Amino acid sequence: DVKVTQSSRYLVKRTGEKVFLECVQDMDHENMFWYRQDPGLGLRLIYFSYDVKMKEKGDIPEGYSVSREKKERFSLILESASTNQTSMYLCASSTSQGLGETQYFGPGTRLLVL
Amino acid sequence: TQLLEQSPQFLSIQEGENLTVYCNSSSVFSSLQWYRQEPGEGPVLLVTVVTGGEVKKLKRLTFQFGDARKDSSLHITAAQPGDTGLYLCAGANTNAGKSTFGDGTTLTVKP
Repeated sequence: DVKVTQSSRYLVKRTGEKVFLECVQDMDHENMFWYRQDPGLGLRLIYFSYDVKMKEKGDIPEGYSVSREKKERFSLILESASTNQTSMYLCASSTSQGLGETQYFGPGTRLLVL
Repeated sequence: TQLLEQSPQFLSIQEGENLTVYCNSSSVFSSLQWYRQEPGEGPVLLVTVVTGGEVKKLKRLTFQFGDARKDSSLHITAAQPGDTGLYLCAGANTNAGKSTFGDGTTLTVKP
Protein backbone atom coordinates (compact mmCIF):
# COMPACT_ATOMS: atom_id res chain seq x y z
CA ASP A 1 0.00 0.00 0.00
CA VAL A 2 1.48 3.33 -1.08
CA LYS A 3 2.09 5.80 1.65
CA VAL A 4 2.90 9.46 2.08
CA THR A 5 3.29 10.57 5.66
CA GLN A 6 3.56 14.05 7.12
CA SER A 7 5.29 14.75 10.38
CA SER A 8 2.39 16.47 12.10
CA ARG A 9 -1.38 16.62 11.64
CA TYR A 10 -1.73 19.85 13.64
CA LEU A 11 0.78 22.55 14.49
CA VAL A 12 0.46 25.82 16.41
CA LYS A 13 3.31 28.29 16.05
CA ARG A 14 3.94 31.92 16.88
CA THR A 15 4.68 34.69 14.43
CA GLY A 16 8.39 34.82 13.60
CA GLU A 17 9.11 31.20 14.47
CA LYS A 18 10.93 28.92 12.03
CA VAL A 19 8.68 26.04 11.07
CA PHE A 20 9.65 22.70 9.53
CA LEU A 21 7.10 20.47 7.83
CA GLU A 22 8.39 17.06 6.85
CA CYS A 23 7.05 14.63 4.28
CA VAL A 24 8.17 11.06 3.63
CA GLN A 25 7.08 8.71 0.85
CA ASP A 26 7.81 5.00 0.60
CA MET A 27 7.11 4.52 -3.12
CA ASP A 28 10.56 5.47 -4.48
CA HIS A 29 8.92 8.34 -6.37
CA GLU A 30 11.07 10.88 -8.12
CA ASN A 31 8.66 13.81 -7.84
CA MET A 32 7.49 15.45 -4.65
CA PHE A 33 5.27 18.47 -4.11
CA TRP A 34 4.16 20.89 -1.42
CA TYR A 35 0.76 22.59 -1.68
CA ARG A 36 -1.26 24.80 0.55
CA GLN A 37 -5.03 24.58 0.55
CA ASP A 38 -7.27 27.45 1.59
CA PRO A 39 -11.06 27.81 1.35
CA GLY A 40 -12.06 29.26 -2.00
CA LEU A 41 -8.49 29.15 -3.35
CA GLY A 42 -8.08 25.45 -4.02
CA LEU A 43 -4.70 23.74 -4.06
CA ARG A 44 -1.81 26.08 -4.73
CA LEU A 45 1.64 24.71 -5.52
CA ILE A 46 4.41 26.11 -3.35
CA TYR A 47 7.46 24.12 -4.47
CA PHE A 48 8.18 20.82 -6.17
CA SER A 49 11.20 18.61 -6.71
CA TYR A 50 12.08 16.27 -9.56
CA ASP A 51 15.03 14.65 -7.90
CA VAL A 52 17.29 14.72 -4.87
CA LYS A 53 18.72 18.19 -4.24
CA MET A 54 16.59 19.65 -7.02
CA LYS A 55 13.76 22.11 -6.47
CA GLU A 56 11.50 24.25 -8.58
CA LYS A 57 9.31 27.16 -7.54
CA GLY A 58 5.60 26.66 -7.81
CA ASP A 59 2.95 29.35 -7.97
CA ILE A 60 3.39 30.81 -4.46
CA PRO A 61 6.98 30.23 -3.23
CA GLU A 62 7.35 33.51 -1.32
CA GLY A 63 8.01 33.01 2.37
CA TYR A 64 8.87 29.34 1.92
CA SER A 65 11.91 27.22 1.17
CA VAL A 66 12.37 23.47 0.68
CA SER A 67 14.98 20.81 1.12
CA ARG A 68 15.36 17.42 -0.54
CA GLU A 69 18.48 15.71 0.72
CA LYS A 70 17.09 12.19 0.30
CA LYS A 71 14.78 10.80 -2.35
CA GLU A 72 12.08 9.82 0.11
CA ARG A 73 11.99 13.04 2.11
CA PHE A 74 10.86 16.55 1.16
CA SER A 75 10.83 19.29 3.77
CA LEU A 76 9.00 22.61 3.67
CA ILE A 77 10.48 25.42 5.72
CA LEU A 78 8.81 28.62 6.83
CA GLU A 79 11.79 30.81 7.72
CA SER A 80 9.72 33.28 9.76
CA ALA A 81 6.12 32.24 10.12
CA SER A 82 3.41 34.84 9.59
CA THR A 83 -0.31 34.73 10.28
CA ASN A 84 -1.12 34.64 6.57
CA GLN A 85 0.65 31.29 6.40
CA THR A 86 -2.06 29.71 8.52
CA SER A 87 -3.34 27.00 6.22
CA MET A 88 -3.63 23.31 5.41
CA TYR A 89 -0.36 22.04 3.92
CA LEU A 90 -0.43 18.98 1.69
CA CYS A 91 2.53 16.96 0.49
CA ALA A 92 2.30 14.70 -2.55
CA SER A 93 4.54 12.45 -4.61
CA SER A 94 4.43 10.95 -8.09
CA THR A 95 6.57 8.79 -10.32
CA SER A 96 8.35 9.95 -13.45
CA GLN A 97 7.60 6.62 -15.11
CA GLY A 98 4.81 6.29 -17.65
CA LEU A 99 2.43 9.20 -17.60
CA GLY A 100 3.27 9.86 -13.97
CA GLU A 101 0.18 11.95 -13.55
CA THR A 102 -1.21 10.41 -10.40
CA GLN A 103 -0.20 12.24 -7.26
CA TYR A 104 -0.36 10.48 -3.91
CA PHE A 105 -1.13 12.80 -1.07
CA GLY A 106 -0.33 12.75 2.60
CA PRO A 107 -3.03 13.46 5.20
CA GLY A 108 -2.07 17.12 5.50
CA THR A 109 -0.75 19.37 8.24
CA ARG A 110 -3.06 22.02 9.57
CA LEU A 111 -0.85 24.94 10.65
CA LEU A 112 -2.06 27.79 12.82
CA VAL A 113 0.24 30.78 13.20
CA LEU A 114 -0.67 33.06 16.10
CA THR B 1 -0.60 29.22 -17.30
CA GLN B 2 -3.13 26.43 -17.68
CA LEU B 3 -6.33 26.87 -15.68
CA LEU B 4 -9.07 24.44 -14.75
CA GLU B 5 -12.47 25.74 -13.74
CA GLN B 6 -14.84 23.55 -11.80
CA SER B 7 -18.56 24.05 -11.44
CA PRO B 8 -20.54 24.23 -9.36
CA GLN B 9 -18.36 25.31 -6.45
CA PHE B 10 -20.88 24.01 -3.91
CA LEU B 11 -23.62 21.44 -4.27
CA SER B 12 -26.05 20.27 -1.61
CA ILE B 13 -28.53 17.53 -2.52
CA GLN B 14 -30.73 14.87 -0.96
CA GLU B 15 -29.79 11.23 -0.84
CA GLY B 16 -30.88 9.45 -4.01
CA GLU B 17 -30.55 12.41 -6.35
CA ASN B 18 -28.24 12.50 -9.35
CA LEU B 19 -25.63 15.18 -9.96
CA THR B 20 -22.97 16.27 -12.43
CA VAL B 21 -19.78 18.19 -11.73
CA TYR B 22 -17.89 19.90 -14.53
CA CYS B 23 -14.21 20.63 -15.10
CA ASN B 24 -13.38 22.97 -17.97
CA SER B 25 -10.25 24.44 -19.50
CA SER B 26 -9.13 26.26 -22.62
CA SER B 27 -5.98 24.10 -22.59
CA VAL B 28 -5.46 20.56 -23.81
CA PHE B 29 -4.24 17.98 -21.32
CA SER B 30 -2.61 14.59 -21.88
CA SER B 31 -4.66 13.18 -19.03
CA LEU B 32 -7.10 14.31 -16.41
CA GLN B 33 -7.56 13.00 -12.91
CA TRP B 34 -10.44 13.19 -10.47
CA TYR B 35 -9.71 13.13 -6.75
CA ARG B 36 -11.97 13.04 -3.72
CA GLN B 37 -10.97 14.65 -0.45
CA GLU B 38 -12.67 14.07 2.88
CA PRO B 39 -12.42 16.67 5.67
CA GLY B 40 -9.05 16.57 7.42
CA GLU B 41 -7.50 14.21 4.87
CA GLY B 42 -5.51 14.47 1.66
CA PRO B 43 -7.07 13.95 -1.78
CA VAL B 44 -7.36 10.38 -3.02
CA LEU B 45 -7.36 9.47 -6.69
CA LEU B 46 -10.67 8.22 -8.11
CA VAL B 47 -9.84 7.88 -11.79
CA THR B 48 -7.54 8.93 -14.62
CA VAL B 49 -8.87 9.54 -18.13
CA VAL B 50 -6.46 9.69 -21.02
CA THR B 51 -8.25 9.36 -24.36
CA GLY B 52 -10.55 12.03 -25.80
CA GLY B 53 -14.16 10.90 -25.46
CA GLU B 54 -13.25 8.24 -22.91
CA VAL B 55 -15.89 7.20 -20.40
CA LYS B 56 -15.01 5.37 -17.21
CA LYS B 57 -17.38 4.01 -14.60
CA LEU B 58 -16.65 3.41 -10.95
CA LYS B 59 -19.80 1.95 -9.37
CA ARG B 60 -22.25 4.89 -9.28
CA LEU B 61 -19.67 7.38 -10.61
CA THR B 62 -19.26 8.03 -14.34
CA PHE B 63 -16.33 10.06 -15.63
CA GLN B 64 -16.05 11.46 -19.13
CA PHE B 65 -13.13 13.14 -20.88
CA GLY B 66 -14.08 15.60 -23.59
CA ASP B 67 -13.29 14.79 -27.20
CA ALA B 68 -10.78 17.65 -27.36
CA ARG B 69 -9.24 16.68 -24.00
CA LYS B 70 -10.00 20.12 -22.57
CA ASP B 71 -12.86 19.25 -20.25
CA SER B 72 -14.30 16.50 -18.13
CA SER B 73 -17.40 15.66 -16.15
CA LEU B 74 -18.23 13.53 -13.15
CA HIS B 75 -21.74 12.18 -12.84
CA ILE B 76 -22.98 10.51 -9.66
CA THR B 77 -26.12 8.43 -9.76
CA ALA B 78 -28.29 8.01 -6.65
CA ALA B 79 -25.95 9.96 -4.39
CA GLN B 80 -25.37 8.70 -0.87
CA PRO B 81 -24.18 10.53 2.26
CA GLY B 82 -20.88 8.70 1.91
CA ASP B 83 -20.28 10.60 -1.34
CA THR B 84 -19.95 13.83 0.64
CA GLY B 85 -16.59 15.48 0.11
CA LEU B 86 -14.51 17.80 -2.02
CA TYR B 87 -14.09 16.67 -5.62
CA LEU B 88 -11.01 17.94 -7.42
CA CYS B 89 -10.06 17.62 -11.04
CA ALA B 90 -6.43 17.88 -12.15
CA GLY B 91 -4.92 18.09 -15.61
CA ALA B 92 -1.49 16.79 -16.51
CA ASN B 93 0.77 16.83 -19.52
CA THR B 94 3.34 14.19 -20.36
CA ASN B 95 6.79 14.98 -18.99
CA ALA B 96 5.55 18.20 -17.35
CA GLY B 97 5.86 16.65 -13.91
CA LYS B 98 3.33 18.86 -12.17
CA SER B 99 -0.46 18.97 -12.50
CA THR B 100 -2.94 21.82 -12.63
CA PHE B 101 -5.74 21.52 -10.08
CA GLY B 102 -9.22 22.95 -10.23
CA ASP B 103 -10.63 24.76 -7.20
CA GLY B 104 -12.90 21.86 -6.37
CA THR B 105 -16.59 21.16 -5.89
CA THR B 106 -17.82 20.67 -2.34
CA LEU B 107 -20.61 18.10 -2.36
CA THR B 108 -22.95 17.53 0.57
CA VAL B 109 -25.43 14.68 0.39
CA LYS B 110 -28.11 14.87 3.06
CA PRO B 111 -29.76 11.72 4.38
